[in-house]
Amino acid sequence: GAVVSQHPSWVICKSGTSVKIECRSLDFQATTMFWYRQFPKQSLMLMATSNEGSKATYEQGVEKDKFLINHASLTLSTLTVTSAHPEDSSFYICSASTVGEQFFGPGTRLTVL
Amino acid sequence: LAKTTQPISMDSYEGQEVNITCSHNNIATNDYITWYQQFPSQGPRFIIQGYKTKVTNEVASLFIPADRKSSTLSLPRVSLSDTAVYYCLVAEGAAGNKLTFGGGTRVLVKP
Repeated sequence: GAVVSQHPSWVICKSGTSVKIECRSLDFQATTMFWYRQFPKQSLMLMATSNEGSKATYEQGVEKDKFLINHASLTLSTLTVTSAHPEDSSFYICSASTVGEQFFGPGTRLTVL
Repeated sequence: LAKTTQPISMDSYEGQEVNITCSHNNIATNDYITWYQQFPSQGPRFIIQGYKTKVTNEVASLFIPADRKSSTLSLPRVSLSDTAVYYCLVAEGAAGNKLTFGGGTRVLVKP
């Protein structure tokens, strides 16, 4: 199957700093990428839908100025958590969509101290 | 998006068959049913997808009755490595659209 990678796999940062997470589709072009957040023992929660070359569509309750999403190419989307705080500590997962299928990345564990 | 309901957890033993039923009463005509598996600290992994009747692949079977208001994922002869959370999702078209994850079913396979 198609492969989606995320970088970094884990990151620890200080409160108030910004963190960028990359999501890449390695062997296919993804017109749409999705960003999810998952807290311990909970389900995945969709944060935003990202389409190449256009602004992301955020789910209700997700601050677009805090979670900046850029989808500059058909194989790369980035999520930047700006001015991170401890409550932003979570597991962030992206997925990439191609015709008829959606593939998930391995996730990025963010810990904000 | 159709809401799904599935058991919170299930226990089983190695070599047994595990059946997880998901309810999706409000499924729409264009909706497909997709099941994902997730291990701790990993992204979800696609297991199987279907629209109606029965679908089988190398890891699971999916049974969908005629009214499509529910579906059952069947995992034959589970092993310890099948311990994971299993999510049932319903989405318009195939899996190329945004997915809404429900609570999932935590399956524990015991030796």
